[in-house]
Amino acid sequence: GAGVSQSPSNKVTEKGKDVELRCDPISGHTALYWYRQSLGQGLEFLIYFQGNSAPDKSGLPSDRFSAERTGGSVSTLTIQRTQQEDSAVYLCASSLGPYYRLRGGNYGYTFGSGTRLTVV
Amino acid sequence: SQELEQSPQSLIVQEGKNLTINCTSSKTLYGLYWYKQKYGEGLIFLMMLQKGGEEKSHEKITAKLDEKKQQSSLHITASQPSHAGIYLCGAGGGSGGYQKVTFGTGTKLQVIP
Repeated sequence: GAGVSQSPSNKVTEKGKDVELRCDPISGHTALYWYRQSLGQGLEFLIYFQGNSAPDKSGLPSDRFSAERTGGSVSTLTIQRTQQEDSAVYLCASSLGPYYRLRGGNYGYTFGSGTRLTVV
Repeated sequence: SQELEQSPQSLIVQEGKNLTINCTSSKTLYGLYWYKQKYGEGLIFLMMLQKGGEEKSHEKITAKLDEKKQQSSLHITASQPSHAGIYLCGAGGGSGGYQKVTFGTGTKLQVIP
């Protein structure tokens, strides 16, 4: 598609429930990233995918968080047994990949509009 | 790990005034991104700087990376209400390797008409 698409845009869930957040990257972008933005804090890296594999999961805050990517395209971030501290905006970004450099060095790094998760 | 500190944390300016936002890194910057974020929206890419002393402009926004590559400034000339939002600087992973970006905490800009 033309941009990075995330769904849902807003999600309210009860504490203890599982949630799935979806990211549809720009067509042809092999690299995909998940970030979390909590209130009053900056953007926090969660996980990076190159194709369907995740070479860097170092930012996942606990084993309740997992992510997968299929077909080198859509990615799903799953949070199990949600807690109130999971409330945040979850942002997805995609890029052409680590070794591709556009003129000007942008790497085509593009963010989606995010999913605002509220755990009540 | 690399840490980015932005200043000021928030800024309120009168329309038409100039302003500067600073981003200071604890380590050498190999790729410095500037993004703008409005409420409910994703991050909009503004500019990327890589070389010491590099300066780039887009419309009324100019960003510069210092010679030592540890500090960047974003300057807005003749601010307009459309400039309001949160400005984030981000440090990339350098040439080669993937572009995991470490972000600063952001600067919230309000422009009063």
